[in-house]
Formats: sequence, C-alpha cells, structure tokens
Amino acid sequence: AQSVAQPEDQVNVAEGNPLTVKCTYSVSGNPYLFWYVQYPNRGLQFLLKYITGDNLVKGSYGFEAEFNKSQTSFHLKKPSALVSDSALYFCAVRDHGGATNKLIFGTGTLLAVQP
Amino acid sequence: EAGVTQFPSHSVIEKGQTVTLRCDPISGHDNLYWYRRVMGKEIKFLLHFVKESKQDESGMPNNRFLAERTGGTYSTLKVQPAELEDSGVYFCASSQEWGAVDEQFFGPGTRLTVL
Repeated sequence: AQSVAQPEDQVNVAEGNPLTVKCTYSVSGNPYLFWYVQYPNRGLQFLLKYITGDNLVKGSYGFEAEFNKSQTSFHLKKPSALVSDSALYFCAVRDHGGATNKLIFGTGTLLAVQP
Repeated sequence: EAGVTQFPSHSVIEKGQTVTLRCDPISGHDNLYWYRRVMGKEIKFLLHFVKESKQDESGMPNNRFLAERTGGTYSTLKVQPAELEDSGVYFCASSQEWGAVDEQFFGPGTRLTVL
C-alpha cells in the first residue's frame, strides 16, 4: 500500500537558520512527490513537485526538496528560515502509472520559526 | 484567475442532520477531488471526478456520503445523516487535465462540526 510518513509533528527553528522538514514514502512504482503548505485559515498551497529528472527540485518561496530514491525520502529544505514560513507542511505522493490522480498525504509537520 | 472556492467555510450541525458542501473548481479544470482531514490526522482522499463522471470513489467512507458534479462544473458533497465521526475539514481540489501530472489546487476547506 502507498503511504507517506512525516516523522516530526513539529519542527522548531530560529529565523535565519536552515530548515528541513522530513518526508519518506512507500509506493509500488516510481513516485510523483509533492509538498504543500497550509497557512492558518487558508487552503493548501502547492510548493513543489518531483516527477523525474534532477533530484533537487526548486519551488515557491525559496523552498527546495531533495529526492533520494535509495532512502525513499523527499525532504523539504530552505537555506534561511523566515518567521513567515511558520505553517503546516504536508508531503504527498501519487503513484506513477496509477489509475487515479489521488494524492496520499502525510500527517503534516508544523513548522515554527522563532524570531 | 479565481481559485477553488468552497461554501460554507464552517458548518455546525446536530447528529442526524443533513449537510451539503459545495465546491467550485478553477474554471476549465476537468478534475475535481474531495479530501477530508479528521482530528489533525492526515488528509485523506474521498473521491475524484473527471468532468461529470466519478473516476475514483474508493475513499468515500460509507453510503451516508453522496457526491455529485452535474454538468462537470461545481460539485456538492452531501452527508446524510451526519454522525459525530464526520467532523473534520473537507477540502476540494481541482486540476486541469486527466492523465497529466498537474499539481492540484486546493480550496480553503469547509470545517464541519457534528454535535
């Protein structure tokens, strides 16, 4: 069965420091991977996706994610955190070649950036 | 371009009552999805429309949930009768083309509370 794991419920980081939000996945074939962010009282906003190609994917707001097939991971990173990055982050996977476009989400990681 | 809209933003109902949620996708998007997040857990897929047809309804929890997308435009999700465990945030999302690996654009969600 396909699944996504976000092992950390919350990540705390000081403003200006690098941040990492972890995600691992399990799919039967090649994955399509996504990161979404949810700000308070807002819907999910797309950050970036990995389909194929370069393992380092760049996305919105200075975020990037590294696809690692051997470790089945797709960690979200940013070199320098901002207080405004504080939000709930969701990793998701879609099965390559599946009959449906549905996304399988992780439980979310709350990122708190302290000034 | 207008985003995905959902109505209402909040709904509080008594157990046994009926509630209807509405989603208006981005104009021209063939794909429409419903997801649900319960009690701070992962966001779970409910169903997927391609135009007016149900492509995948494997996530619908039971026959108290009925989704429609007449004319392939907006969609409604009816819960009848509502139970306590139906409380959560219901998200709608849309994407442009069936078969393409497009990101899904999410609405702000409807927070449903069943008392």
